[in-house]
Amino acid sequence: AQSVAQPEDQVNVAEGNPLTVKCTYSVSGNPYLFWYVQYPNRGLQFLLKYITGDNLVKGSYGFEAEFNKSQTSFHLKKPSALVSDSALYFCAVRLGSARQLTFGSGTQLTVLP
Amino acid sequence: GAVVSQHPSRVICKSGTSVKIECRSLDFQATTMFWYRQFPKQSLMLMATSNEGSKATYEQGVEKDKFLINHASLTLSTLTVTSAHPEDSSFYICSASAVGVAPDTQYFGPGTRLTVL
Repeated sequence: AQSVAQPEDQVNVAEGNPLTVKCTYSVSGNPYLFWYVQYPNRGLQFLLKYITGDNLVKGSYGFEAEFNKSQTSFHLKKPSALVSDSALYFCAVRLGSARQLTFGSGTQLTVLP
Repeated sequence: GAVVSQHPSRVICKSGTSVKIECRSLDFQATTMFWYRQFPKQSLMLMATSNEGSKATYEQGVEKDKFLINHASLTLSTLTVTSAHPEDSSFYICSASAVGVAPDTQYFGPGTRLTVL
């Protein structure tokens, strides 16, 4: 079975500071990893994905994530946070042969002005 | 590109009535659509996987007779909540996997807030 853990329910960071939202995964095989963002009462917006290749993945709105196979992690990062980045962030995983995504529990990011 | 819409965005209904939610892929064809349910401050729970022209595959614990899914075309899937009760109140989100356009990425609709009185 595949699973995703987001160990932090809430992350607070000051505007302009770097931010990290953590994600670890557990799958038996090669994972496809995704980050999505959700604003209040909205669906999920795709940020970035890791399929294969370069471990550092760059995505939308200046976000990036690094795939670390030895630590089974896929942390989301941004060098300089904006207040508008405040939202709920979800990490997700799927195996290559499967269509379904398994989501983490979500991390509420609050960027303080 | 890769836009998914849902209708309605919000619905309030009386207990015992049925509610239909539509999910459309606007600019791509989706062989597979997924229906999720999200409770407040919680993650998305996959309810079912819908394939065009075939029966939906339901996750364990999801009543297929209560949550009817129809995927009649490559751009439309519907979820009907039959005989809705207050415990069915939730945020329902659909997603679609594109044919020929980044098939490994799911694109999500904006969600439908269902409130059953």
